[in-house]
Amino acid sequence: AQTVTQSQPEMSVQEAETVTLSCTYDTSESDYYLFWYKQPPSRQMILVIRQEAYKQQNATENRFSVNFQKAAKSFSLKISDSQLGDAAMYFCAYRSARGNEKLTFGTGTRLTIIP
Amino acid sequence: NAGVTQTPKFRILKIGQSMTLQCTQDMNHNYMYWYRQDPGMGLKLIYYSVGAGITDKGEVPNGYNVSRSTTEDFPLRLELAAPSQTSVYFCASSPRTGGTSFGGELFFGEGSRLTVL
Repeated sequence: AQTVTQSQPEMSVQEAETVTLSCTYDTSESDYYLFWYKQPPSRQMILVIRQEAYKQQNATENRFSVNFQKAAKSFSLKISDSQLGDAAMYFCAYRSARGNEKLTFGTGTRLTIIP
Repeated sequence: NAGVTQTPKFRILKIGQSMTLQCTQDMNHNYMYWYRQDPGMGLKLIYYSVGAGITDKGEVPNGYNVSRSTTEDFPLRLELAAPSQTSVYFCASSPRTGGTSFGGELFFGEGSRLTVL
């Protein structure tokens, strides 16, 4: 079974600075998706960024980018120019691209932005 | 655009009561899911469905039942509610991933907070 591990329960960053959230996963598959979801206090699950495993290029969405290391099974999220609105729980998630298509989540990292 | 709609948003139950959490999606998605999120934790899969008439268990199915009679609806039934079922419940949906340009993500409802006393 696939597992997703987020080893940082909490992180904090000064406003306007850069922070990196870590995620590792375990799978025997070669074709899959990885995601970062944001959950603010409203508890809505918001997709931040996605990465298809077959793509070597790291995904980027405005201030959010990932460092995808397929061989190391690592998928970190970098937030640049942190803003107060970035404060939330961040969940890393894995989904197989074929057959078993359940989304498996890590336990989350709570990000605090210091003004 | 409604997306995934869950009702109710909040509910308090007494031990032993039963209830149904409703979930409907208007995106014609094949796959639907129910997750629960305990305080400070990630989401755990309760049940999922790959299409009308087909359901399967996830990681934590005990104490719950589901049905999928239509593409749009995927209700979650709690029988004999217990304090351990106090949680936030999320319904989600997605299209098929294979052979499409779809990016694979799930679309989530806003969640239903259930308290069992």
